[in-house]
Amino acid sequence: DIQMTQSPSSLSASVGDRVTITCRASQDIDIWLAWYQQTPGKAPKCLIYAAINPQSGVPSRFSGSGSGTDFTLTISSLQPEDFAIYYCQQYSSLPITFGQGTRLEIK
Amino acid sequence: QVQLQESGPGLMKPSETLSLSCTVSGDSITPYYWNWIRRRPGKGLEWIGYIYYGGRTNYNPSLESRVTISQDTSTNQFSLKLVSLTAADTAVYYCARMYGYNYPIDYWGQGRLVTVSS
Repeated sequence: DIQMTQSPSSLSASVGDRVTITCRASQDIDIWLAWYQQTPGKAPKCLIYAAINPQSGVPSRFSGSGSGTDFTLTISSLQPEDFAIYYCQQYSSLPITFGQGTRLEIK
Repeated sequence: QVQLQESGPGLMKPSETLSLSCTVSGDSITPYYWNWIRRRPGKGLEWIGYIYYGGRTNYNPSLESRVTISQDTSTNQFSLKLVSLTAADTAVYYCARMYGYNYPIDYWGQGRLVTVSS
């Protein structure tokens, strides 16, 4: 299985801050990485696919970068609705695997 | 707009068999990849498996011996069966769609909490 390691596991930040979350794959996954946002009681929502492509309707403050084994999700200016848990996911090979999640909290 | 809705019991006993269904509206289930994913308390998301293209399946090796995913195209539903439950299977279970292989998950159900307790 491909292991996905996110850092940090939790993060406190303020509205307006720039935030970066990283995800490392245990082997090369090319660009087959997605980022999801999950708010309490809701299903995850895809923000970024193929490492860098924003899903339709996702605000432009969300961006993704990376390829191979190292990936980054950046939120350029945090908004109140962005406080959530973020997951990376590889879909390069089976089994599909997720990172353990990054909890983004209000400072 | 594609919508998915899980249904099934919320409380199970150890050793029992869990059966969950996912009803899909807004599109046919025939052309896509239909997944089951769970989130256990205090843990991240875990992919259970998917069904696609006329009933072909792939499962997570960690659960493969206990899992069956099936579909019913006449009712536009797909289902999860998980046998020999233990407390470690307590989780929110999600059904979800992938457009195809090497695609991310684009639609999710709201999730169904299943608690396994004696």
